[in-house]
Amino acid sequence: EAQVTQNPRYLITVTGKKLTVTCSQNMNHEYMSWYRQDPGLGLRQIYYSMNVEVTDKGDVPEGYKVSRKEKRNFPLILESPSPNQTSLYFCASRGLQRDTQYFGPGTRLTVL
Amino acid sequence: GESVGLHLPTLSVQEGDNSIINCAYSNSASDYFIWYKQESGKGPQFIIDIRSNMDKRQGQRVTVLLNKTVKHLSLQIAATQPGDSAVYFCAEIPNSGGYQKVTFGTGTKLQVIP
Repeated sequence: EAQVTQNPRYLITVTGKKLTVTCSQNMNHEYMSWYRQDPGLGLRQIYYSMNVEVTDKGDVPEGYKVSRKEKRNFPLILESPSPNQTSLYFCASRGLQRDTQYFGPGTRLTVL
Repeated sequence: GESVGLHLPTLSVQEGDNSIINCAYSNSASDYFIWYKQESGKGPQFIIDIRSNMDKRQGQRVTVLLNKTVKHLSLQIAATQPGDSAVYFCAEIPNSGGYQKVTFGTGTKLQVIP
């Protein structure tokens, strides 16, 4: 089954404690992306990657890092989380053509 | 999750009626548009797309209309069912800068009354 998986699905942490949210896709997609979703603001892109070792900033990259060492994985790293990073995070992937993005199930992060 | 639906405009529709959800987009250079459905606790799911060289596209029970003159997009759902209850939002993609520059609308919550 074609899918994008994220882990963990829920996470409560404290300010400053480094964390990583993993994302993996099994569709051999080149393009992967991270979004955050906040009430009233919709989905905003954090980072994206066009292929292995190719990443770029989206609209709200501050406080986040990503890496793309393998095609299937695109982890999101928060080196020093802060309360304003409390949000619902989605990973997405798609192929090279302008087709639909497949979204993961989401990770709800709370930073205390 | 449920918090996604807070602060959103809400459309309440009787089961069996047709629903129309609207979206105003901002970039006149956008040439590809997508409608997504997001159910509670899930990620967005693709519903239907349309390219700027079209003004209408039909799927199963859904129709998307594009009016480039006023930068307006609408999603019509025929014979709305309880399973259609969700948050719906549009996405616009420009013809330059690559597909990665997707801009999403904030969404409309559709409530189907049984």
